[in-house]
Amino acid sequence: GAVVSQHPSRVICKSGTSVKIECRSLDFQATTMFWYRQFPKQSLMLMATSNEGSKATYEQGVEKDKFLINHASLTLSTLTVTSAHPEDSSFYICSAAQGVKDNEQFFGPGTRLTVL
Amino acid sequence: AQSVTQLGSHVSVSEGALVLLRCNYSSSVPPYLFWYVQYPNQGLQLLLKYTTGATLVKGINGFEAEFKKSETSFHLTKPSAHMSDAAEYFCAVSDQAGTALIFGKGTTLSVSS
Repeated sequence: GAVVSQHPSRVICKSGTSVKIECRSLDFQATTMFWYRQFPKQSLMLMATSNEGSKATYEQGVEKDKFLINHASLTLSTLTVTSAHPEDSSFYICSAAQGVKDNEQFFGPGTRLTVL
Repeated sequence: AQSVTQLGSHVSVSEGALVLLRCNYSSSVPPYLFWYVQYPNQGLQLLLKYTTGATLVKGINGFEAEFKKSETSFHLTKPSAHMSDAAEYFCAVSDQAGTALIFGKGTTLSVSS
């Protein structure tokens, strides 16, 4: 089956620093990748949609200058949280879509970000 | 706009009992519907999905769900709960292929022995 990896799985950083999270589709080419954020005991909220070679589309209320998304290839998308603050602490999950068939997305294992 | 409502944020059952997790959706077009399971500090695993065709969908681990258009529902069931089924369950919907999923708030399933 299709596998999506995320790195790192867990990161702790100081307030004001930037953190990069990688999302990779390991055995397929992902035309579209999605970034979600999940706060404790809550559901997943879409942050942005990323298509290879084009600018990401951000959801309302998500700051594009704070959450930088780069989708440089069909197997890699990165999310950089710039100047992180404690309120950015969350579980970040990416998903990758192989195509439009069935609209099935494959989810990464998530990255736990803790900002001190 | 699409939305998903999961009735009951927490469901508790005994081992061997029927599991029923409720999901209602709103969509202006025929939807794609999904159920995912999430274990603590892990990503989401697809249980089953409905796209077109047969309205009763069978998934992994003995779960199944039935798409009922008239009731705008996609409830998840399992005849006999196992301890290993204890997890968070999310219902999700999308209205177009290639678009992001809209998730419900999730239901925590607890299974007691």
